[in-house]
Amino acid sequence: QKEVEQNSGPLSVPEGAIASLNCTYSDRVSQSFFWYRQYSGKSPELIMSIYSNGDKEDGRFTAQLNKASQYVSLLIRDSQPSDSATYLCAVNVGTSYGKLTFGQGTILTVHP
Amino acid sequence: DTAVSQTPKYLVTQMGNDKSIKCEQNLGHDTMYWYKQDSKKFLKIMFSYNNKELIINETVPNRFSPKSPDKAHLNLHINSLELGDSAVYFCASRGQGAGETQYFGPGTRLLVL
Repeated sequence: QKEVEQNSGPLSVPEGAIASLNCTYSDRVSQSFFWYRQYSGKSPELIMSIYSNGDKEDGRFTAQLNKASQYVSLLIRDSQPSDSATYLCAVNVGTSYGKLTFGQGTILTVHP
Repeated sequence: DTAVSQTPKYLVTQMGNDKSIKCEQNLGHDTMYWYKQDSKKFLKIMFSYNNKELIINETVPNRFSPKSPDKAHLNLHINSLELGDSAVYFCASRGQGAGETQYFGPGTRLLVL
């Protein structure tokens, strides 16, 4: 089993819809969870971090964490064409030096 | 003003050559990283330094040698380049605390012919 696994995609949603991105992780001691967005040819940029169970909202983005199910998700409301990118889930198992393990990424396309 | 910078942005070279990539951050962070992103976009950590000390060394061929002359700089030297080394190499840095955000540089696109 991969350490961090994302729904493979690609995911295509119409403009204005909700995009749902999912991620599961294998290490139960994982403590910090991150969603990065990567546009084609660019570097990853952090859009959300979450550390405790429940929901965390930031604008159109909501991260959801369920440690019992080892599951983290990202919801994008009112999706825009500018949200089209690869979304990377990353997990830190709690090392003090922040070693991140990334999923393979989900390509999201928002079509007008 | 660039927080994490890398040079060069593009590197095209022949198999067997030796090349270096440089990274600098002006964020005052103590921890820096090298990641490799392959053609399938899978991003994998290679090395990490904390205040000039090597703290993460993943299973990477010993042809790859990182060096940190000070905590703001982390370089990557690659000996005897192979076709499979072709990838995008990202440098990143992070502040204190296990949950702190990692900030990525623009990447160096390496193509080995």
